[in-house]
Amino acid sequence: EVQLVESGGGLVKPGGSLRLSCAASGFTFSSYAMNWVRQAPGKGLEWVSSISVYSTYIYYADSVKGRFTISRDNAKDSLELQMNSLRAEDTAVYYCVRDRIGVAGSNWFDPWGQGTLVTVSS
Amino acid sequence: QSVLTQPPSVSAAPGQKVTISCSGSSSNIGDNYVSWYQQLPGPAPKVLIYEDNKRPSGIPDRFSGSKSGTSATLGITGLQTGDEADYYCGTWDRSLSAYVFGTGTKVTVL
Repeated sequence: EVQLVESGGGLVKPGGSLRLSCAASGFTFSSYAMNWVRQAPGKGLEWVSSISVYSTYIYYADSVKGRFTISRDNAKDSLELQMNSLRAEDTAVYYCVRDRIGVAGSNWFDPWGQGTLVTVSS
Repeated sequence: QSVLTQPPSVSAAPGQKVTISCSGSSSNIGDNYVSWYQQLPGPAPKVLIYEDNKRPSGIPDRFSGSKSGTSATLGITGLQTGDEADYYCGTWDRSLSAYVFGTGTKVTVL
């Protein structure tokens, strides 16, 4: 069974840092691009970042660019998100999501982890 | 704010049909395939439709997707109480070099 399990969420003060981890199992992790998607309380989905199979291509949403860093360790089947200079508006559930690739470079997200809550508050 | 626009809510009686629109532009929907995600109360989202109109295994054929130009549509027929959820469209935006989601639509079964 394909599983993505996030960890590392918690309460942090504005300006602080947090590192999220995602443990993957049930599939060949090194064959898939990965993503982080977040959802603020009561709000919609917001894509945060994506990383290609060998970390060659990395993309960030403008809202986190320069503050967040995505990385992966294919030997350990793990994905991470280093979050620095956190703001109140970064408060959200953060989902680890596998990227699926189809014809002509199409992509979609499947599956999603259960999410980890990050709360930025003083 | 999201670059893909969806109606905030749609509703219908059990057994009826609803459609959810997703409006974008030439740099996203007009340039890439669209996927749709269902988020039931509580759990994480799951994919319902990918590549505009394909259903993953296990997704009933009551769910369908279509696309025309810079707009996409999700259809749900034979509406059931278990379909009450939030639905999001999503696609890659070539200009932003970012994946974008729609604003989300809440489906209510009357």
